Amino acid sequence: GAVVSQHPSRVICKSGTSVKIECRSLDFQATTMFWYRQFPKQSLMLMATSNEGSKATYEQGVEKDKFLINHASLTLSTLTVTSAHPEDSSFYICSAPGSSRETQYFGPGTRLLVL
Amino acid sequence: SQQGEEDPQALSIQEGENATMNCSYKTSINNLQWYRQNSGRGLVHLILIRSNEREKHSGRLRVTLDTSKKSSSLLITASRAADTASYFCATEHRGSTLGRLYFGRGTQLTVWP
Repeated sequence: GAVVSQHPSRVICKSGTSVKIECRSLDFQATTMFWYRQFPKQSLMLMATSNEGSKATYEQGVEKDKFLINHASLTLSTLTVTSAHPEDSSFYICSAPGSSRETQYFGPGTRLLVL
Repeated sequence: SQQGEEDPQALSIQEGENATMNCSYKTSINNLQWYRQNSGRGLVHLILIRSNEREKHSGRLRVTLDTSKKSSSLLITASRAADTASYFCATEHRGSTLGRLYFGRGTQLTVWP
């Protein structure tokens, strides 16, 4: 079946640095991808909708200058956490819908730890 | 918040027992989906029920949907220790972008052998 990959799976960085997370659809094209954030023992919070060839749509309360999203091709979306701080430490998950509403493919997640 | 609510937050049962988790949401939906997440891992899609459906089965899973009450339930029958995980409901809102989901707070299920 269709697979979505994320890279890296885990990253540790110093406060103030920027971190890029990649989300790839491996055997299907995705004009839209979604980015979620999950804090420990909490639910997934939708951060933004990544649109191929146009600007991302951010959910209320998500800083677009903080979380830069680029959907460079039909198989790749990147999330860059700029000037990361410890409170940005979280589990970041992307997803891509299949051709029908029946299929939602989630990546395995990226665990970010900001020291 | 557009997130749904789930109860219970935590459920602890013995192997062989049934587990029931409930989900409530706030807006009109196209469909409601249930996902499973093992600790620190990604999501596994379990089942999707459309807004015009009332009940759906998949193996040991049974999902109901009551759109008048804006609620859904997930029943896992004859539970196993391997069912231990967090379970989330997620809704796709009517008129929303395909695949854009809002997740409930989740139920942590522990099944004791």
